[in-house]
Amino acid sequence: AQTVTQSQPEMSVQEAETVTLSCTYDTSESDYYLFWYKQPPSRQMILVIRQEAYKQQNATENRFSVNFQKAAKSFSLKISDSQLGDAAMYFCAYKNTNSGGSNYKLTFGKGTLLTVNP
Amino acid sequence: NAGVTQTPKFQVLKTGQSMTLQCAQDMNHEYMSWYRQDPGMGLRLIHYSVGAGITDQGEVPNGYNVSRSTTEDFPLRLLSAAPSQTSVYFCASSRAGLYGYTFGSGTRLTVV
Repeated sequence: AQTVTQSQPEMSVQEAETVTLSCTYDTSESDYYLFWYKQPPSRQMILVIRQEAYKQQNATENRFSVNFQKAAKSFSLKISDSQLGDAAMYFCAYKNTNSGGSNYKLTFGKGTLLTVNP
Repeated sequence: NAGVTQTPKFQVLKTGQSMTLQCAQDMNHEYMSWYRQDPGMGLRLIHYSVGAGITDQGEVPNGYNVSRSTTEDFPLRLLSAAPSQTSVYFCASSRAGLYGYTFGSGTRLTVV
């Protein structure tokens, strides 16, 4: 079974600075999808960014980018120019690409709570 | 587009009571699932469904029941509530492939 590990339960960053959240995963598959979700205090789960494992190019969405290292099974999230609204719990998640029920399942890490200091 | 509608948002139950958490989506997603979120534990899969009439157990299914009679609806039943079921519950739906989940707004359930 796949596992996702977020080794930083909490992180903090100064407003306008850059922060990197770590995520590692374990899988025997060669193709899969990876996601980062944001959960602000409102509790809503918001998709931040996604990456296909067969694509070597790192995904980018505005101030959010990833560093995908397939051999190391690492998928870190970089937030540039941090804003107060970035304060949230961030979850890393893994999804298979093969057929069947497992094609749909998202496996989540335990989350990293990000604080942004003004 | 309403997305995923989850009700109620808050609920308090007494030990031994039963209840149903409702979940409906209007995106014609084939996949629906229920997760529970507990502090320090992330989101853990309770049950999921890959289409109408098809359900399966996830990581923590005990004490919960589901059915999927239509593509749109996927209710979660607590058969006899226990304090260990105090949690935040999320319903989510998806298509296969590079699609993330669309989540409902969550239900905070307290069992006393």
